[in-house]
Amino acid sequence: EVQLLESGGGFVQPGGSLRLSCAASGFTLNVFAMSWVRQAPGKGLEWVSTVSGGGDVTYSADSVKGRFTISRDNSKNKLFLQMNSLRIDDTALYYCVRDHYERVAEGDFFQNWGQGALVTVSS
Amino acid sequence: SYVLTQPPSVSVAPGKTATITCGGNNIGDKSVHWYQQKPGQAPVLVVYNDGDRPSGIPEQFSGSNSGNTATLTISRVEAGDEADYYCQVWDRSSDHWVFGGGTKLTVL
Repeated sequence: EVQLLESGGGFVQPGGSLRLSCAASGFTLNVFAMSWVRQAPGKGLEWVSTVSGGGDVTYSADSVKGRFTISRDNSKNKLFLQMNSLRIDDTALYYCVRDHYERVAEGDFFQNWGQGALVTVSS
Repeated sequence: SYVLTQPPSVSVAPGKTATITCGGNNIGDKSVHWYQQKPGQAPVLVVYNDGDRPSGIPEQFSGSNSGNTATLTISRVEAGDEADYYCQVWDRSSDHWVFGGGTKLTVL
């Protein structure tokens, strides 16, 4: 059974940093791209970032580019999201997601979702 | 950047058919995926590649995509289908995933 377990969420002041982790189990991590998707309280889904199975290709939303970095350690079955220069509007539940393909391409989709890690940015 | 437009809400009586649209420029040229999110839960994939269903998703759920509109159809709607539904595409021009704003399905 595929399981994705996020951790590392919490409360942080504006301008601060936080690192989210996602522990993956039930599948071979390096054959799937992985993504982070967030959802602000009462709002819709917003894609944040995606990394290819080998970790060599990454994509990020304009809203986080230059501030957030996605990475992975396939040997430890883990996905990460380093979040710097956090802003109040980064407050959200952050989901770890398994893609369908090893690389993003037409026909790829988000196959499995974790339960999310809550990040609250407030002064 | 590519924009997907969904109606904020759709209401339907039990046993009837719900239709949720997702509008985008030439969306028919893209693969559209649909996610269901019930309150307090993570999203679940219900339709991928316009009209395919993952294993475990009932036949009630179907999808189509042509021109500037993709459609998620839920037939014989039940109370348990009440949820938010999101469409999604990969925008090759910007290398961005794009979600629609979501549609809240209410079963009357």
